[in-house]
Amino acid sequence: GNSVTQMEGPVTLSEEAFLTINCTYTATGYPSLFWYVQYPGEGLQLLLKATKADDKGSNKGFEATYRKETTSFHLEKGSVQVSDSAVYFCALSVSSGSARQLTFGSGTQLTVLP
Amino acid sequence: DVKVTQSSRYLVKRTGEKVFLECVQDMDHENMFWYRQDPGLGLRLIYFSYDVKMKEKGDIPEGYSVSREKKERFSLILESASTNQTSMYLCASSLVVQRNEKLFFGSGTQLSVL
Repeated sequence: GNSVTQMEGPVTLSEEAFLTINCTYTATGYPSLFWYVQYPGEGLQLLLKATKADDKGSNKGFEATYRKETTSFHLEKGSVQVSDSAVYFCALSVSSGSARQLTFGSGTQLTVLP
Repeated sequence: DVKVTQSSRYLVKRTGEKVFLECVQDMDHENMFWYRQDPGLGLRLIYFSYDVKMKEKGDIPEGYSVSREKKERFSLILESASTNQTSMYLCASSLVVQRNEKLFFGSGTQLSVL
């Protein structure tokens, strides 16, 4: 079956530190890959996505590259801010980005300290 | 902006009670979803609906039912609440653009079953 494995949290960083949240996946076929973010008290929202191997998704200073050879989609940001404190979910879809086929990881809590 | 509204932010119920969780979206989206979010497990799909009066089981439908009498409203029903249904419940609607489906989430209902 399809699955997504994220690094265990919580992750605590100081402002302006470099962020990496690891995500690896197992899937049949060629999935689309996503990062969702959930700010405190809010629902999830799409942060970025990549639909084929070697694609790089980017948004709000975050980046993730679809690595087929390592089945990974690690989230990175060069300099985090307090406002980046949130829960981050990696997800995949094996059906052309269909929401019905989304498989989510367990989420990683990020806290950024001033 | 798309708005997905869940009627309650926090809800406390007793074992055996019938519980209704309500969700309304204001963007005329065809598709609506109910997820539960648990620590260490991420999001899991309970039910979804692609049209009025239409419903399909997700990955964990046991103990739940749904109702979609109007396009904008999707209700999750716990016929007889149990303690293992204590969780955060997230509703979402989706928009399909160029064969890619984008999810819009509500801010969630934290249900505690005592």
